[in-house]
Amino acid sequence: DTGVSQNPRHKITKRGQNVTFRCDPISEHNRLYWYRQTLGQGPEFLTYFQNEAQLEKSRLLSDRFSAERPKGSFSTLEIQRTEQGDSAMYLCASSLSGTVTGELFFGEGSRLTVL
Amino acid sequence: AQSVTQLGSHVSVSEGALVLLRCNYSSSVPPYLFWYVQYPNQGLQLLLKYTSAATLVKGINGFEAEFKKSETSFHLTKPSAHMSDAAEYFCAVRTPGQAGTALIFGKGTTLSVSS
Repeated sequence: DTGVSQNPRHKITKRGQNVTFRCDPISEHNRLYWYRQTLGQGPEFLTYFQNEAQLEKSRLLSDRFSAERPKGSFSTLEIQRTEQGDSAMYLCASSLSGTVTGELFFGEGSRLTVL
Repeated sequence: AQSVTQLGSHVSVSEGALVLLRCNYSSSVPPYLFWYVQYPNQGLQLLLKYTSAATLVKGINGFEAEFKKSETSFHLTKPSAHMSDAAEYFCAVRTPGQAGTALIFGKGTTLSVSS
């Protein structure tokens, strides 16, 4: 049984560099979510895909952030021109449409440190 | 807009003592409510969920929560704390009928358990 997989688990970069995170959801799940979590805070919603369509984006998702899910399977989250304020844990979650509550299954996260 | 408030960012109990973590929600309609647990450097794991079927919900690891509409609360309890319960706990909300939309999380409560 494979859960949600995220890579890399840790990324240290210098300010101004671009970084990309990958998320592989549970195989039969057609919905995929990205969240950001900073120290002492709960996860904050960034964006959501159903299959390959990006259906919702938070105001937190600035122009420097872009997410894709080209074939409706894995997803990537790219941050361009990173800033120190981007340092956070980036969490991916997936779910299956048709369930009543649509609870999310989370990966272990990708921790970004911007120096 | 829906939201959740977790009262108390840090709760400390002794091993064997009652655990009570508080969550109050704000929603125009009775929502779906969730409790997640996060251990250090890991993703979030679902503890339990409220789907309007029963007001008292039992989850994993001996935790349970009671939905009280009159108090707009969904507090998490466990009769006897174990050292292994030390973690971060998050309450989350979603509006029924919008299973595809994102969960909205509270800021979390850190539970410490002393021997």
